[in-house]
Amino acid sequence: QLQLQESGPGLVKPSETLSLTCTVSGGSITSSTDFWGWIRQPPGKGLEWIGSMYYSGSSYYNPSLKSRVTISVDTSKNQFSLRLSSVTAEDTAVYYCARTPITMVRGIMVLHWFDPWGQGTLVTVSS
Amino acid sequence: EIVLTQSPGTLCLSPGERATLSCRASQSVSSSYLAWYQQKPGQAPRLLIYGASSRATGIPDRFSGSGSGTDFTLTISRLEPEDFAVYYCQQYGSSPALTFGGGTKVEIK
Repeated sequence: QLQLQESGPGLVKPSETLSLTCTVSGGSITSSTDFWGWIRQPPGKGLEWIGSMYYSGSSYYNPSLKSRVTISVDTSKNQFSLRLSSVTAEDTAVYYCARTPITMVRGIMVLHWFDPWGQGTLVTVSS
Repeated sequence: EIVLTQSPGTLCLSPGERATLSCRASQSVSSSYLAWYQQKPGQAPRLLIYGASSRATGIPDRFSGSGSGTDFTLTISRLEPEDFAVYYCQQYGSSPALTFGGGTKVEIK
């Protein structure tokens, strides 16, 4: 059974970089049919897709965050990571990692839904 | 970017009643690439429906999805106590630009 678990600091100072890691168990991050991604949820608010990455390095990001986001994959550890730079209080949220299955349509990888999800980790941006 | 608008914001119903949740897209969602999730307090979202109408593994058949184009519906035929939660829709028709709706809270009347 595929499981994902987020880890990382729960408190980050404004203007610094938020860094989180997601560890995948029960399956391989080098799966040819999956992307691996991050979603966040500010307290009391809705869900926002941050970005997703394939094990080979192909990545897609939410345009609203693209300039500040980097997602990377470490196949040796079966992990993928999120870095979000220049954070402000508006980046305070529960951050989830999740698997996204894909299909190939005319040679293009099409991302689908998110399943399963990690349990989420709260990151607070405050001095 | 496809914007998803969910309505109503809150639905107040009693156990045993039927719940009908709406998700409307700002433009047509190709191939009915729409998913629904359930989220309970303090928990991660759980996939319920994908492809607008296909139930995910282990999801009870009281949950059903329908719709195409710009209008989609999640129906819970008879509400069980554990169904009171927040529900989100998500489109992947404009992949890789993935977007979520704002959510509908189903609460006990």
